[in-house]
Amino acid sequence: NAGVTQTPKFQVLKTGQSMTLQCAQDMNHEYMSWYRQDPGMGLRLIHYSVGAGITDQGEVPNGYNVSRSTTEDFPLRLLSAAPSQTSVYFCASSYSNREKSGYTFGSGTRLTVV
Amino acid sequence: QQQVKQSPQSLIVQKGGISIINCAYENTAFDYFPWYQQFPGKGPALLIAIRPDVSEKKEGRFTISFNKSAKQFSLHIMDSQPGDSATYFCAAASRGSNYKLTFGKGTLLTVNP
Repeated sequence: NAGVTQTPKFQVLKTGQSMTLQCAQDMNHEYMSWYRQDPGMGLRLIHYSVGAGITDQGEVPNGYNVSRSTTEDFPLRLLSAAPSQTSVYFCASSYSNREKSGYTFGSGTRLTVV
Repeated sequence: QQQVKQSPQSLIVQKGGISIINCAYENTAFDYFPWYQQFPGKGPALLIAIRPDVSEKKEGRFTISFNKSAKQFSLHIMDSQPGDSATYFCAAASRGSNYKLTFGKGTLLTVNP
């Protein structure tokens, strides 16, 4: 049981490049989310999904795309990287039944856009 | 509009002391209030959570106090230890929004030995 696995752990991109941050969970969680963490800003929701084929925008979705073709995977795509997207990105997953557990977070991807 | 306000930004406590972190929310639809603990270089981890139908929940040295009328909740860490040094985030969510978490900005706790 690996929990929530994020790859890569570190990435440096040039402005304008695109890339995909990978997220996989093996807990059969229905809900998955992407957050970005910036100093003094807490964690802000980018996109989330309540099940395969269903996604919706969070608080800061601009510049990011997601898809959820399987229960296990929830990749985050940066379309054209900008320095403002330099951040630490966390993927999280949860059961839909709140009584079972809270969100489990991955260990993060630290992204630098130069 | 910041929906969950957390204070203080940073907190220094002596070993054995009580650490208190406060959060206030605005959205009365929130019905789930978790606290997360984050160590440097790691993802946040669920510490303890409460629903608004109870005023207090205790798990070991960690206690959440909840005041529904004031729309406030707080985390108390009793007998604080150096190993408790971390960043703590409060959060709130509602069934109507599929329990999307809205986080406070975090409190950096340092427990001195």
